[in-house]
Amino acid sequence: DAGITQSPRYKITETGRQVTLMCHQTWSHSYMFWYRQDLGHGLRLIYYSAAADITDKGEVPDGYVVSRSKTENFPLTLESATRSQTSVYFCASKPFLENLYNEQFFGPGTRLTVL
Amino acid sequence: AQTVTQSQPEMSVQEAETVTLSCTYDTSESDYYLFWYKQPPSRQMILVIRQEAYKQQNATENRFSVNFQKAAKSFSLKISDSQLGDAAMYFCAYRSPINNDMRFGAGTRLTVKP
Repeated sequence: DAGITQSPRYKITETGRQVTLMCHQTWSHSYMFWYRQDLGHGLRLIYYSAAADITDKGEVPDGYVVSRSKTENFPLTLESATRSQTSVYFCASKPFLENLYNEQFFGPGTRLTVL
Repeated sequence: AQTVTQSQPEMSVQEAETVTLSCTYDTSESDYYLFWYKQPPSRQMILVIRQEAYKQQNATENRFSVNFQKAAKSFSLKISDSQLGDAAMYFCAYRSPINNDMRFGAGTRLTVKP
């Protein structure tokens, strides 16, 4: 399907387990982003990537790892999940050539619960 | 770092009436981008309207318009002729032209009463 997809849509895991959230986009956008959404905080940037093999930290990167070996995929890994990482995670993408308004396109989100 | 504040956690409006959602931000940059996103219960983030700081003219998209006050660092969203489908969380966002860090406000939950 065209667009940006995330999998799984829902995930329940236990404290200390490793979890990987997947993000895939079909637009060949250069930029990809991971956000988490928590009540009272809106969306906060975890990591972003400007191109394959180029990643950078956002506002709340601790406890997360990202990789980007292919332009279309941008997985987010929680190496040892904690309860504070219970959240809704959004992936987004944006083309390299700046459109006039720098719009980011969002995936449908993944609800992660850490017990 | 830039911060975005939405001071109204919840708002309510009668169908067909007008409602204004508030947003203020803090920045030292002279040029930047501002956005309003809508998030319905489906959780999908939908861009509603956007504004470039150097443009003095307020952006308008059908029933949605903004009141951009650069000196006051204010970016409010006005929804005219409110419809039941407008019920959602609304997020104000700021993006610097320098980096890719988009900062969001905490959101305003809008209820539309029939």
